[in-house]
Amino acid sequence: AQSVTQPDIHITVSEGASLELRCNYSYGATPYLFWYVQSPGQGLQLLLKYFSGDTLVQGIKGFEAEFKRSQSSFNLRKPSVHWSDAAEYFCAVGSRQKVTFGTGTKLQVIP
Amino acid sequence: KAGVTQTPRYLIKTRGQQVTLSCSPISGHRSVSWYQQTPGQGLQFLFEYFSETQRNKGNFPGRFSGRQFSNSRSEMNVSTLELGDSALYLCASSLGGWLPTNEKLFFGSGTQLSVL
Repeated sequence: AQSVTQPDIHITVSEGASLELRCNYSYGATPYLFWYVQSPGQGLQLLLKYFSGDTLVQGIKGFEAEFKRSQSSFNLRKPSVHWSDAAEYFCAVGSRQKVTFGTGTKLQVIP
Repeated sequence: KAGVTQTPRYLIKTRGQQVTLSCSPISGHRSVSWYQQTPGQGLQFLFEYFSETQRNKGNFPGRFSGRQFSNSRSEMNVSTLELGDSALYLCASSLGGWLPTNEKLFFGSGTQLSVL
């Protein structure tokens, strides 16, 4: 069965600092991997996705993620965080049957 | 193009009642999936519909059901509500290709259900 683990429930960073959100997945075949962001009171918005090819994926809003098969990881990064990035971030893995989401990481940005 | 629309936005029910939530997908999208979101549990997949047929189903009891109409609009129903059903219910739509889960999902803002 596929699963996603986001080990950090909450992360606090200063505005302008770099960010890395961790994601580990479990899936028997080549996974489809996603990062979504959810602002308060809103649905989820896709940041980026990985299916194959270049393991470093660029997304919207200056985010990127790196797929590391050996570590079963798909960590999300941003070099300089803005106050508007405060939200909850979800990593997800897709298979033929469904998309499985992690429990999310809530990001707080302090001035 | 209008986004995914979910109604109602908020709902308060009591235990034992039933509830119906509605989702209108983006025009041209044929796949609609439903998720339950609770603090600490994240998003749990309920089911996915494509061309009026349930294509995939998560691990929820039979009290949770859904359907899809010919215009791709979808409804989900929860019967005999329990306190633990309190959650944000999110609907997502996608084009619904042969491999539906490699597609971008477009989410609605959700229906916040409170069961008292």
